[in-house]
Amino acid sequence: ETGVTQSPTHLIKTRGQQVTLRCSSQSGHNTVSWYQQALGQGPQFIFQYYREEENGRGNFPPRFSGLQFPNYSSELNVNALELDDSALYLCASSLVPTADEQYFGPGTRLTVT
Amino acid sequence: AQSVTQPDIHITVSEGASLELRCNYSYGATPYLFWYVQSPGQGLQLLLKYFSGDTLVQGIKGFEAEFKRSQSSFNLRKPSVHWSDAAEYFCAVGMMEYGNKLVFGAGTILRVKS
Repeated sequence: ETGVTQSPTHLIKTRGQQVTLRCSSQSGHNTVSWYQQALGQGPQFIFQYYREEENGRGNFPPRFSGLQFPNYSSELNVNALELDDSALYLCASSLVPTADEQYFGPGTRLTVT
Repeated sequence: AQSVTQPDIHITVSEGASLELRCNYSYGATPYLFWYVQSPGQGLQLLLKYFSGDTLVQGIKGFEAEFKRSQSSFNLRKPSVHWSDAAEYFCAVGMMEYGNKLVFGAGTILRVKS
C-alpha cells in the first residue's frame, strides 16, 4: 500500500508568481485536506476536497485554490505569491471526510523570495 | 473560536526520564483529540487519538494521553523517554462538523539529553 506522496519536495518562487503543488492520496482514500505550516507554527487548515468538490475551507484568501481529480489525487494552486506564503505545505488523505484518521504526506517546502 | 494551546515551546528531558507534554483546548462540542509527532523534514505521524470512552488512551511508541474534560486538557505522557523521541509534538482538535478539519496547537519541541 502506497502512502501519501507530494511533489515537489522543495521549490523556490518569486513574489507575484504562481505555484502548483501536487498530492497523491493513499490508495482507496477519496478525501484530501491541505494544510499550511509556517516556520515555528502548527499546521493550519486550508481546505478539503471530497469526490472532486471543495468540502470546507479555512481562513485563506481565494488566491489559494485546489483541484481533486477522478483518481483522487489533488493540486494546491497559489496565485500572486507573497513572502508570507513561504511554508511547508502538507496534504493529508482519509477514507471519507469524517474519518477519524488522516494520513499526512511529507510536505512541500515553498520558499518565496 | 476553536483553539489549542501547548504552553511549552521547548522541553528537555534526560533519556530514561518520564515525559508529559501539556495540551489545552477550547471547543464547544465534544472534542475529537489527537497527538501527532513530526521529525525534522517529515510529515505528521499520528501517535494517538481520543473520541469517546476510556479517558486514558494508548498510542504507538509507548505514548499515552489522558482526556480531562473538567480541565479541557489532553496531556501526552511517556514513562521513559528514548533519544529517538526527540521531535516536535502537536496536539490537535478535530472539528467533525467540518469534515474532520484539524486545528493544531503551535507544537512542543522535545529535546532528549543523554
